[in-house]
Amino acid sequence: EVQLVQSGGGLEKPGGSLRLSCAVSGFTFSDAWMSWVRQAPGQGLEWVGRIKTKTDGATTDYAAPVKGRFTISRDDSKNTLYLQMNSLETEDTAVYYCATSRALRSSSFSYWGQGTLVTVSS
Amino acid sequence: EIVLTQSPATLSLSPGERATLSCWASQSVNSYFDWYQQKPGQAPRLLIYDASNRAPGIPARFSGSGSGTDFTLTISSLEPEDFAVYYCQQRNNLPLTFGGGTKVEIK
Repeated sequence: EVQLVQSGGGLEKPGGSLRLSCAVSGFTFSDAWMSWVRQAPGQGLEWVGRIKTKTDGATTDYAAPVKGRFTISRDDSKNTLYLQMNSLETEDTAVYYCATSRALRSSSFSYWGQGTLVTVSS
Repeated sequence: EIVLTQSPATLSLSPGERATLSCWASQSVNSYFDWYQQKPGQAPRLLIYDASNRAPGIPARFSGSGSGTDFTLTISSLEPEDFAVYYCQQRNNLPLTFGGGTKVEIK
């Protein structure tokens, strides 16, 4: 069974930092392109960014609102994806999901984490 | 950035009725296009990928069509568990983008 189990999150002040984790089991993590998607309260879905596999250079891509503040990384030895969030803004308040595809090099999100709430407030 | 516009914002229907949801892209996304269902408090669930392929385990009452800029999700006969919010997504260009969603509610 494929599982994406998220941890981290919580309440942080504007300008602060948080790190989210996403532990994966049930498939070959090292073969998967991984993404983060967020959802502000009562709003729609917003792609945050993704990281490709090491085979594909482990390159990262980010949405404009988070570029330069957020960093996505992966530890294939631990089957874990990370999202380091710095210089947090109130607009970053959202439920954050990790997501991936069952197909190689795809961003059709077949599998999702349970979501973790990040609240940025003074 | 490719903008996806979903219509209608809300669809009020009764169980057993047919639902037709639309999504338009601001430029061609070929068939790199997906549909998701989301229920309150849950992560989204992939329904349709590549515009017209049902994801594993998705009932046959869900179907997708379209290519280029115009896409449709059809639910042939609504079941009680189908009342939810539906999102479209394009993955032809970065950034990946989602539509604003269509809420299918019970009439």
